[in-house]
Formats: sequence, C-alpha cells, structure tokens
Amino acid sequence: DVKVTQSSRYLVKRTGEKVFLECVQDMDHENMFWYRQDPGLGLRLIYFSYDVKMKEKGDIPEGYSVSREKKERFSLILESASTNQTSMYLCASSSVNRLAKNIQYFGAGTRLSVL
Amino acid sequence: AQSVTQPDIHITVSEGASLELRCNYSYGATPYLFWYVQSPGQGLQLLLKYFSGDTLVQGIKGFEAEFKRSQSSFNLRKPSVHWSDAAEYFCAVGRSGGSNYKLTFGKGTLLTVNP
Repeated sequence: DVKVTQSSRYLVKRTGEKVFLECVQDMDHENMFWYRQDPGLGLRLIYFSYDVKMKEKGDIPEGYSVSREKKERFSLILESASTNQTSMYLCASSSVNRLAKNIQYFGAGTRLSVL
Repeated sequence: AQSVTQPDIHITVSEGASLELRCNYSYGATPYLFWYVQSPGQGLQLLLKYFSGDTLVQGIKGFEAEFKRSQSSFNLRKPSVHWSDAAEYFCAVGRSGGSNYKLTFGKGTLLTVNP
C-alpha cells in the first residue's frame, strides 16, 4: 500500500514564525502536492512538484514556498505565518506511470493553528 | 480549464436508505474522474475511479458511480447507507494523457447519516 506520512497531525504556531510542514511518501512517486483545505472551499492546490528540485505554483501559492531535495520528501514552508494560514494542510503523491492515471494518494493531514 | 461542481453542500439520509451524490464536471475531452472520501480529521481515501470503458464503475465500501458523458456527470451511489458512511465526499477530475498530473476537486458534500 502507498503510504504518505505527514510529520505532524496538529501544530500550533505564533504569528510571524517560520513553519515547516513535512511530507514523506514511500512509493517512489515522481509527483507530490500540497493542498490547503478550508470549510466550504474544498481543496486548493498550493504547490506541485514533478521531480527533485522542480516545483510549480498552484492556485494559491502566496505566502508559501516548498522544497524538494529528495524524491520521497516534500516540504511546505510558511516564511512568516499569519492567522489567515490557519487551516488543514494535505499532502499527496502520484506516479507518472501511464497506468497510474493521475491517482493521488493522501496523507492524514496537518491541522495548523496560527495564533 | 477543468472544473467540478458538487451541487449539494450537505445531505442527510437515514441509515439503510439509498444515496446519490451529484458531481458535474467541465472538461474538453474524456476526463479521468474520481471520488474520494474523507472521514473526520483524516486525509482523503480513493473510493473509485473512471478512466474509460464501462461507464458504471464499482468502488470500495459498496459504492458505485456512473459516468454520463451527455450530462457531464459522475454521480456516486450506494443502495443502502451505513452509519459509518458519514463523511465528506469529494469528486475530482483529471486530464487523460499528457503530462498534466493535477486534479481539480469539487468543494465536497458532507453526508450525515441518521440512525
């Protein structure tokens, strides 16, 4: 089974702190994604990575950056956390294999509160 | 650009009753279509998927969905709902072929099951 692990289930941070959210997948997937989930807004893509050191902005990249130094690990960085970044953050991965057909596998999520 | 609409924000059914969750998509070609389920505080789990061929697809937990190209719909059904089906359900569309691996998600339908 594919396993996508997010390092923290819950995080509480203060405004202005630098925050790192970590995600690791064990299936050698090329693609990794960070989403933000808010009530009534569904999932919104923050950033996408299709290879080591490669990234692409999603729909709401402002206030976030990402890092992918190793294939299995994709980090989301809040350079200076703000209260409007309080949310649930979901990481996902997928394979570029044509047979995989874009299926994304999700971690359990990190619920971040910024005070 | 592709888009997904889930018209029902919240649905309440009685245990044992049948269920249909609606999903309409906008996409220029034959899409890849998915239904994911999210239990409270958890990540998303893939319920079922449609890529091509038979338009009625079976998934886990007794769910099925039917692809109707003429209506641009991919509705999720279950003949008899169990209390454990209470969760949020997300429909998603992806691009078939090419190198765009992103999925577009609907805003979700929250299912409440009454005893």
